Amino acid sequence: IAGITQAPTSQILAAGRRMTLRCTQDMRHNAMYWYRQDLGLGLRLIHYSNTAGTTGKGEVPDGYSVSRANTDDFPLTLASAVPSQTSVYFCASSDELYTEAFFGQGTRLTVV
Amino acid sequence: GIQVEQSPPDLILQEGANSTLRCNFSDSVNNLQWFHQNPWGQLINLFYIPSGTKQNGRLSATTVATERYSLLYISSSQTTDSGVYFCAVERNFNKFYFGSGTKLNVKP
Repeated sequence: IAGITQAPTSQILAAGRRMTLRCTQDMRHNAMYWYRQDLGLGLRLIHYSNTAGTTGKGEVPDGYSVSRANTDDFPLTLASAVPSQTSVYFCASSDELYTEAFFGQGTRLTVV
Repeated sequence: GIQVEQSPPDLILQEGANSTLRCNFSDSVNNLQWFHQNPWGQLINLFYIPSGTKQNGRLSATTVATERYSLLYISSSQTTDSGVYFCAVERNFNKFYFGSGTKLNVKP
C-alpha cells in the first residue's frame, strides 16, 4: 500500500441499505477527510478528522457518519442510503494543518 | 464557508497552445492547492501554493494571497493535459473548499 486506498471502487446499493466506504492511508497523516463529487458542483466536504479520536462535520454531513479509531483508517457510513447519495466519494489526508492534501482514487456509489 | 470561483468553466485548446486558469476566493486562506482530475477520475496534486510562484515542467502557478487569487499556467499544452482542473483553499480546521473546476479539452 502506498498513499490512500479506498474500497470498494464502485458499488450499486439498494435504497434503505447500510453501507460503509473504507479508507486507509499509510502516510501516518493526522488529518483525514471525506468528500463527495457531483456533476457541476465540484467536491464538497462531508466529514473530517484532525486526529485519531476526533471528527467534525463539513458542508454536507447529513445522512453520513464517520469514526476515527486509529490514525490509518477513516470509514464513512451511510446508515440508510437514499438516491441523492449517488455520487463519487473521495477520501483524503494531510499531515498537519495547512499542508498538502492527498486523495484516494474514489468510490463510485449508485443508490437505486 | 469560503467561496471559490474558477474561470473559465470550459476551455478548448489546440495542442501546443498556452492557457491561464484563474481561481478567486472570498476570504484569506492558509492553504491553496491545484489539482488535475484526469479522464479516469483520479485527482492528481499539481501544486501546493498558499503564496508565491512555483513551476513544474510546463505548468506553473502563482498565488497572490493579499488579492485573493491564484493562476495556473499551462504552456505548450498536450492532449494528456485534458481533464478538469480544480482549485481548493483551506482556511480553518482542515476544511478544504473546492471550486467548480475548469474543464480543459486539448485537441490534437
